[in-house]
Amino acid sequence: DAGVIQSPRHEVTEMGQEVTLRCKPISGHDYLFWYRQTMMRGLELLIYFNNNVPIDDSGMPEDRFSAKMPNASFSTLKIQPSEPRDSAVYFCASSVWDRETYGYTFGSGTRLTVV
Amino acid sequence: AQSVSQHNHHVILSEAASLELGCNYSYGGTVNLFWYVQYPGQHLQLLLKYFSGDPLVKGIKGFEAEFIKSKFSFNLRKPSVQWSDTAEYFCAVTAGGNNRLAFGKGNQVVVIP
Repeated sequence: DAGVIQSPRHEVTEMGQEVTLRCKPISGHDYLFWYRQTMMRGLELLIYFNNNVPIDDSGMPEDRFSAKMPNASFSTLKIQPSEPRDSAVYFCASSVWDRETYGYTFGSGTRLTVV
Repeated sequence: AQSVSQHNHHVILSEAASLELGCNYSYGGTVNLFWYVQYPGQHLQLLLKYFSGDPLVKGIKGFEAEFIKSKFSFNLRKPSVQWSDTAEYFCAVTAGGNNRLAFGKGNQVVVIP
């Protein structure tokens, strides 16, 4: 298995532009999570899905952020319009709810810089 | 919601020294506990996890952690660190049958050769 795949690895954009981050979870994993990592706040859960349905989006900073999971193998996190304070590393993770094999698998992250 | 506290955010030590990182959580019910490691420029990787049974858990790369329920703690240890252990270490918790993983702020560990 190729693991959790995120794209792009790096994104530099100008303030006000739309940014779309992509994630492909591990096949068979029924949970998908989006986290944001910054020096100031550490790892913050933004939103998570179970069987493609958003379960908890209370961590989404504001209406500029939106996430979708149209099918079991793909999710997007969109920021529109982007602002410099959105600069961070965004991680996607997937998991199964199985005690024997349980554990999140993280993608390599997307480093977003908004100038 | 559960919360996770990690102390001593920055730790600097020499090779062969022993390492112990503290982790405390706030949740009174059943918890599942994890330690993740993030090497410079990389994504998080699972070091070890505790679900039930023996409270002393052994993970990869010589790490172990002990669950002490009475203290709401899950401290990470390694008897003798190597330069390659330089990384950030995160304690994390799921609780109440919830699959939502709550992370601590992390410990930045630097091992000097």
